[in-house]
Amino acid sequence: GAGVSQSPSNKVTEKGKDVELRCDPISGHTALYWYRQSLGQGLEFLIYFQGNSAPDKSGLPSDRFSAERTGGSVSTLTIQRTQQEDSAVYLCASSLEFSTGELFFGEGSRLTVL
Amino acid sequence: QKEVEQDPGPLSVPEGAIVSLNCTYSNSAFQYFMWYRQYSRKGPELLMYTYSSGNKEDGRFTAQVDKSSKYISLFIRDSQPSDSATYLCAMSAVGDTNAGKSTFGDGTTLTVKP
Repeated sequence: GAGVSQSPSNKVTEKGKDVELRCDPISGHTALYWYRQSLGQGLEFLIYFQGNSAPDKSGLPSDRFSAERTGGSVSTLTIQRTQQEDSAVYLCASSLEFSTGELFFGEGSRLTVL
Repeated sequence: QKEVEQDPGPLSVPEGAIVSLNCTYSNSAFQYFMWYRQYSRKGPELLMYTYSSGNKEDGRFTAQVDKSSKYISLFIRDSQPSDSATYLCAMSAVGDTNAGKSTFGDGTTLTVKP
């Protein structure tokens, strides 16, 4: 597709369950980012992948959060043992290799933890 | 104190009005300044992108950056109901570790009434 694709668009889960969120970036974009947006809040940086470099995980809020990017393309964000405070919209973005801030976002995955 | 401060509004104006949206920041390393527009339940989309100080105009939109005051603005002329959205400012610094890893404001919600 032409844009960043995320799935699922909505996910409702029970506290303590694991969830996986998927992101397919724009073809040719080597940089990929995950952000979290809580209700009425701005975007909180989570993790950043650039080519074959080690990811920048500095924004991950706890060790329950992890992400991987396979083959330099599709990325999966995994949240283990979900908590209610994990409820948010998880946004994926991609950019060209040497972007200095021009991000292209997907529609987001809305996670609700009951 | 947050690195980027943005008045959350909400801001309501009549159609045709000039809208002024603003952000202040504290990190003098920020060199790239962006404005994103986010419609309800959608991902943010890049609206304006500016490097360093100065003005940039694109149609009805003008972005201004005053680095000496650490203050950025977005002006919307002849506002339309279709401009009703949340506007997020974002900033990033120069350097490999920061490229694309933007810091966002919390967003200002704008409603343009017909």
